[in-house]
Amino acid sequence: KQEVTQIPAALSVPEGENLVLNCSFTDSAIYNLQWFRQDPGKGLTSLLLIQSSQREQTSGRLNASLDKSSGRSTLYIAASQPGDSATYLCAAAYYGNNRLAFGKGNQVVVIP
Amino acid sequence: NAGVTQTPKFQVLKTGQSMTLQCAQDMNHEYMSWYRQDPGMGLRLIHYSVGAGITDQGEVPNGYNVSRSTTEDFPLRLLSAAPSQTSVYFCASSYSGGLGLGNTEAFFGQGTRLTVV
Repeated sequence: KQEVTQIPAALSVPEGENLVLNCSFTDSAIYNLQWFRQDPGKGLTSLLLIQSSQREQTSGRLNASLDKSSGRSTLYIAASQPGDSATYLCAAAYYGNNRLAFGKGNQVVVIP
Repeated sequence: NAGVTQTPKFQVLKTGQSMTLQCAQDMNHEYMSWYRQDPGMGLRLIHYSVGAGITDQGEVPNGYNVSRSTTEDFPLRLLSAAPSQTSVYFCASSYSGGLGLGNTEAFFGQGTRLTVV
């Protein structure tokens, strides 16, 4: 079964610290992995998409890596700010399966 | 550019009533999908469509119906609402070039919060 796991479910960090969020997936037959942000009461916003042929993607303070062999992706947010407080979800796209498999998310609070 | 638009934003239904949740996108995306989001359960796929005239079931299709007569619209119908269908519903779309789910970022609507009493 193709499963995506995000642990821990919730975490808090002091402002200015670097955030590291992990996403694990079963089955290495993925062709991309996306990271999303969800604010309370809102929809999901795509942050980064990594193709299976890539090792990482960067956008501003955000960097996401992908290691298919270990079944792991990491989202790194540098110098966290209170505005980074949100839930972060990862989703994998698998070959032969017309759907995204979502993790349950990491709820992040950045403490001023 | 409106992106993905869902209506209504909030809805309260009585058990047994039917209704349609609307979803429209203006990005000419072939792939569209409906999810429900429940505490502790994460996002679960209800139905999806890879193009006009083509729909398929996701993980939790029972009690829901969809159709895709145009590229832009993908309505979700609740046939006979039950309290178990109380949830937040999200519509999403992505460009696929006619290749199933495709390999591009997904765009989500703002959600419909449905309560069935």
